[in-house]
Amino acid sequence: EVQLVQSGAEVKKPGESLKISCKGSGYSFTSYWIGWVRQMPGKGLEWMGIIYPGDSDTRYSPSFQGQVTISADKSISTAYLQWSSLKASDTAMYYCARLADYFDYWGQGTLVTVSS
Amino acid sequence: EIVMTQSPATLSVSPGERATLSCRASQSVSSNLAWYQQKPGQAPRLLIYGASTRATGIPARFSGSGSGTEFTLTISSLQSEDFAVYYCQQYNNWPPTTFGGGTKVEIK
Repeated sequence: EVQLVQSGAEVKKPGESLKISCKGSGYSFTSYWIGWVRQMPGKGLEWMGIIYPGDSDTRYSPSFQGQVTISADKSISTAYLQWSSLKASDTAMYYCARLADYFDYWGQGTLVTVSS
Repeated sequence: EIVMTQSPATLSVSPGERATLSCRASQSVSSNLAWYQQKPGQAPRLLIYGASTRATGIPARFSGSGSGTEFTLTISSLQSEDFAVYYCQQYNNWPPTTFGGGTKVEIK
């Protein structure tokens, strides 16, 4: 069974750094791209970027380029999304999802709250 | 960037009735179109890909049609568990990929 399990909810202050994770199982983690999708409170879905864990090839949405860093550790089948300096506007639910052209399997989401 | 426009924003339907949701692309995406369902507090779930192919485990009451710039998701007889928000996504020559703004299907 394909599963993507994300790290737990985070509460941070503006300016702090953060790295959230997404662990894949039940399939060959290095053979599929993993994407990250943001959902701000009460809003729709926004694609942030994707990574191919096999060789760490990474592509970013222009809207998120330079704002976040996507990485992966194939030895532990885990992808990451990180911020160096959080802003209140980063408050959102973040989903990882396996890419098969479309997103066929999704993680449960990680809620990130940034508040002073 | 291809803009995806969904209509209506909200659709009020009685259980057992048919629901028809629309998704329009600003330029042709061929059949590279997926539909997702999202219930409150849950992650999105893939319903349809390739514009008309149901994902594994998706009931036959869900069907997708269209190609190019005009797409439709039809739910033939709404069940209580179908009240949710539905998103379309184009994946033609991506990155980038883009999602529509969503249609909320609510109980009439």
